[in-house]
Amino acid sequence: EIVLTQSPATLSLSPGERATLSCRASQSVSSYLAWYQQKPGQAPRLLIYDASNRATGIPARFSGSGSGTDFTLTISSLEPEDFAVYYCQQRSIPFTFGPGTKVDIK
Amino acid sequence: QVQLQESGPGLVKPSETLSLTCTVSGGSISSYYWSWIRQPAGKGLEWIGRIYTSGSTNYNPSLKSRVTMSVDTSKNQFSLKLSSVTAADTAVYYCARAEVYYFDYWGQGTLVTVSS
Repeated sequence: EIVLTQSPATLSLSPGERATLSCRASQSVSSYLAWYQQKPGQAPRLLIYDASNRATGIPARFSGSGSGTDFTLTISSLEPEDFAVYYCQQRSIPFTFGPGTKVDIK
Repeated sequence: QVQLQESGPGLVKPSETLSLTCTVSGGSISSYYWSWIRQPAGKGLEWIGRIYTSGSTNYNPSLKSRVTMSVDTSKNQFSLKLSSVTAADTAVYYCARAEVYYFDYWGQGTLVTVSS
């Protein structure tokens, strides 16, 4: 099973600031990694797939990069609705998720 | 617009079997992979397993001995059975769709509590 770790656990930022979230895999996943956003009481929402492709309807301020074992999700300028928990997911079976990074308001 | 809706008992007794159904509307169940994912309160996401519309399945090895999934294409539904539940199985259970690997549509989630 591939283990994903995310850092930091919590990121405290202000609206308009840039957010940089990290996901590291215990072994190479090539570029086969996705990012999800989850708000309280809601299901996760797919943001990025295959490391750098935005899902349908996702704003351009969200971008993903990386390959192998190290990946980054960047939110270029935080909007109020972006404060949430972000998870990464790899696609080798069993699918696994990282423990999440909470982006909260500073 | 594709919508997924979980249904089933919100309370299950220890050692019994948890049974949930996901109903898909606004689109066909065919030619997609359908997964169950759970999330204990305040914790992260755990993939339970998936079923293709042909009936082929993949299960998480950590749960494989207790999990059974099935699909009913005539009803646009798929189901989860998790046997011999304990308090550790208490979680919000989500159903989700994937073209293959990534989950683009999710149900709203249903809380299942294991308690006597």
